[in-house]
Amino acid sequence: KAGVTQTPRYLIKTRGQQVTLSCSPISGHRSVSWYQQTPGQGLQFLFEYFSETQRNKGNFPGRFSGRQFSNSRSEMNVSTLELGDSALYLCASSLGHGGGDTEAFFGQGTRLTVV
Amino acid sequence: GNSVTQMEGPVTLSEEAFLTINCTYTATGYPSLFWYVQYPGEGLQLLLKATKADDKGSNKGFEATYRKETTSFHLEKGSVQVSDSAVYFCALTGGGATNKLIFGTGTLLAVQP
Repeated sequence: KAGVTQTPRYLIKTRGQQVTLSCSPISGHRSVSWYQQTPGQGLQFLFEYFSETQRNKGNFPGRFSGRQFSNSRSEMNVSTLELGDSALYLCASSLGHGGGDTEAFFGQGTRLTVV
Repeated sequence: GNSVTQMEGPVTLSEEAFLTINCTYTATGYPSLFWYVQYPGEGLQLLLKATKADDKGSNKGFEATYRKETTSFHLEKGSVQVSDSAVYFCALTGGGATNKLIFGTGTLLAVQP
């Protein structure tokens, strides 16, 4: 079956702009989580959506937002980009039961560079 | 809060050497524990997991045992290959209705022929 698809793979944006990243989870998966990966901070949890509702949120400023559609596809948006937002953004999909008993499948990520 | 502490890298080994990457955790309740692997230019792949104390996860020759008494989940492999070169992440979920993963800092493994 198809894996997790993230688009685009690469993005270059200018400070102050906004950006939208997209994630299509594995068919049948209802949970989508987003992570930011940087050399300095490692992998940090942004938020999790389940059945179109944000179920959990990490410690990021309000410039980072997301949503999930009825087909489970998810988008995340970053407004007023800063240089420090340059990172690999990873999306993970799961069946959604939670509790750690289900596997999270990751996409290849979107590499965002802010100049 | 919950956290994962992972052995600093990089770890450089010769092919067929024994591998250990240390991982300890702090968590309330009964977390599930995971090892993920990231190859260059790729996302993360689940390598193995354990959901309760004394469980042993294993996959592709890698093993890790959930030790509640030492709050550890060390990754081991008896004989590494060049193809095992990657970054390895230890992670946990804290339970409840969430799939949120808390990751360690990652350990870069380089295996030389």
